Amino acid sequence: GENVEQHPSTLSVQEGDSAVIKCTYSDSASNYFPWYKQELGKRPQLIIDIRSNVGEKKDQRIAVTLNKTAKHFSLHITETQPEDSAVYFCAASLAGTASKLTFGTGTRLQVTL
Amino acid sequence: DAGVIQSPRHEVTEMGQEVTLRCKPISGHDYLFWYRQTMMRGLELLIYFNNNVPIDDSGMPEDRFSAKMPNASFSTLKIQPSEPRDSAVYFCASSRGGNEQFFGPGTRLTVL
Repeated sequence: GENVEQHPSTLSVQEGDSAVIKCTYSDSASNYFPWYKQELGKRPQLIIDIRSNVGEKKDQRIAVTLNKTAKHFSLHITETQPEDSAVYFCAASLAGTASKLTFGTGTRLQVTL
Repeated sequence: DAGVIQSPRHEVTEMGQEVTLRCKPISGHDYLFWYRQTMMRGLELLIYFNNNVPIDDSGMPEDRFSAKMPNASFSTLKIQPSEPRDSAVYFCASSRGGNEQFFGPGTRLTVL
């Protein structure tokens, strides 16, 4: 089955700096890569996703890049703000089929003032 | 739409008791997922359904866990008998077509 590795496990940045979280996956058939944000005590919520026919996707301060050859994808947050502090999970799956999401182990991002 | 609904939000029980967690997916969604989240093991998929049929239950820890989906708008996750190591937050999520998953607020289970 699919295996997703995520690094780093914790990340501390100063407000205004950029943050990068990286994930690798094992199943070359995976074609859907979402990122979820989970604030303390809350549910995971989708913040951005990318499909394998796209190399990069951007939504305001958040961007995701995908390298299918190397089987890795990354989340980039620019101009970080305190409200970006949360745990971020990457995931991979074969979209549109009876296939499950495999989640990474999460990255705890702390944005300090 | 109210989103995914889970009940109860908190459950405290004693070891050996039966626990039933409930989930109402978003109307029109054909996939339903049950996850368990702990500090040690992260977010684990326990089981998922497609059109009310269980597709993959390989994440269910053992026979003490069972899940059902009698119709498109309701699912249960049952633990019998419960043990302290079952203490976790249990999330239900639903999706349309197996894509973006919408999570419920979770049930925080404490087994004493």
